[in-house]
Amino acid sequence: KQEVTQIPAALSVPEGENLVLNCSFTDSAIYNLQWFRQDPGKGLTSLLLIQSSQREQTSGRLNASLDKSSGRSTLYIAASQPGDSATYLCAVPAGGGATNKLIFGTGTLLAVQP
Amino acid sequence: GAVVSQHPSWVICKSGTSVKIECRSLDFQATTMFWYRQFPKQSLMLMATSNEGSKATYEQGVEKDKFLINHASLTLSTLTVTSAHPEDSSFYICSAASNEQFFGPGTRLTVL
Repeated sequence: KQEVTQIPAALSVPEGENLVLNCSFTDSAIYNLQWFRQDPGKGLTSLLLIQSSQREQTSGRLNASLDKSSGRSTLYIAASQPGDSATYLCAVPAGGGATNKLIFGTGTLLAVQP
Repeated sequence: GAVVSQHPSWVICKSGTSVKIECRSLDFQATTMFWYRQFPKQSLMLMATSNEGSKATYEQGVEKDKFLINHASLTLSTLTVTSAHPEDSSFYICSAASNEQFFGPGTRLTVL
């Protein structure tokens, strides 16, 4: 059974710092891995999706890496801003396809202090 | 990009009443939709997989007679919480799948 965990559970940093969020999964046979952002009381915003054949994906100040063999993904946020404050979730499909149900990590609550 | 809507965005109801939540894919067809539930300060947990034209598949521990799911068309799935109780108060989020999953904005249910 696939399990997804994220560390740290919470993180507080001053504005401008670079930071790394971690995601671990127990079954390395994943189809892809996705990072989401969730603001309080809101739905999910997809940030980056990494296919199993890829090593990383970049979007603006965000960079996500994937190491299937070790069951890890990291989300790197450069030059953090107060607007980056949110909960960050990683998720992998439960089965072998892209449209299978997603198993979510436990989330990292990020606070960027101005 | 693909857009998924949910209605209502929030609802408050009395204990014992039923509440229907709609999930629509606005610009694409989705043969599969998923319903997730999120309790405060917790991650999303899948409740059920909704397949157009067939019965939903429920996750272990989710009561199918309490959480009725109907997926009548390729763009609409509904979740009905029957005889709601305060412990059903939660944030319900749906997603619709094409080549990847797209999430709705969520529905905040509060049962008094």
